[in-house]
Amino acid sequence: DIQMTQSPSSVSASVGDRVTITCRASQGISSWLAWYQQKPGKAPKLLIYAASSLQSGVPSRFSGSGSGTDFTLTISSLQPEDFATYYCQQANSFPPIFGPGTKVDIK
Amino acid sequence: QVQLQESGPGLVKPSQTLSLTCTVSGGSISSGSYYWSWIRQPAGKGLEWIGRIYTSGSTNYNPSLKSRVTISVDTSKNQFSLKLSSVTAADTAVYYCARDPVIAVAGALDYWGQGTLVTVSS
Repeated sequence: DIQMTQSPSSVSASVGDRVTITCRASQGISSWLAWYQQKPGKAPKLLIYAASSLQSGVPSRFSGSGSGTDFTLTISSLQPEDFATYYCQQANSFPPIFGPGTKVDIK
Repeated sequence: QVQLQESGPGLVKPSQTLSLTCTVSGGSISSGSYYWSWIRQPAGKGLEWIGRIYTSGSTNYNPSLKSRVTISVDTSKNQFSLKLSSVTAADTAVYYCARDPVIAVAGALDYWGQGTLVTVSS
């Protein structure tokens, strides 16, 4: 199976900060990567698919980049509602695997 | 707007079979090209993909759970179901159902149920 890692595991940031989260795959997955946001007690919400495509209804401050093994999720200006845990997921090979998550909390 | 809702017992005894149902509303489960998936999340931990069923009825399971998992669909009720046999405390988790549009969002899961907590305990 492909292994997914994320860094950092947690980050403390302030409203208005630019936040970058990295996801790395143990082998190349082309652009078959998605990002999700999960708030406590809620289901994950799809933010980005195909590494850089913004899901409908997701604010444009979220962006994704990368291909192959290294990917990035960027929040350009952190808003109060963005404090959450973020997961990447590879969809290149079976089974789909999620990263361990990155928690974004208030500084 | 597609909505998914999980239902089933919140408490299952060890060695028994966990059974959950996901009811889909806002669209037909048998139309279009979709995988209907199950994912779980132990408390405080990450997400684990369990398996999926395609619109046609074909299934794929996580190899780590394959021997214990069965996913089926009931198109007349617009539902799909999960059965996980021989459960242990390690199967205690929030279980989510979700939709994978196969191509439209490149293997991602675009609609999720709210999740249901299943505890395995005697």
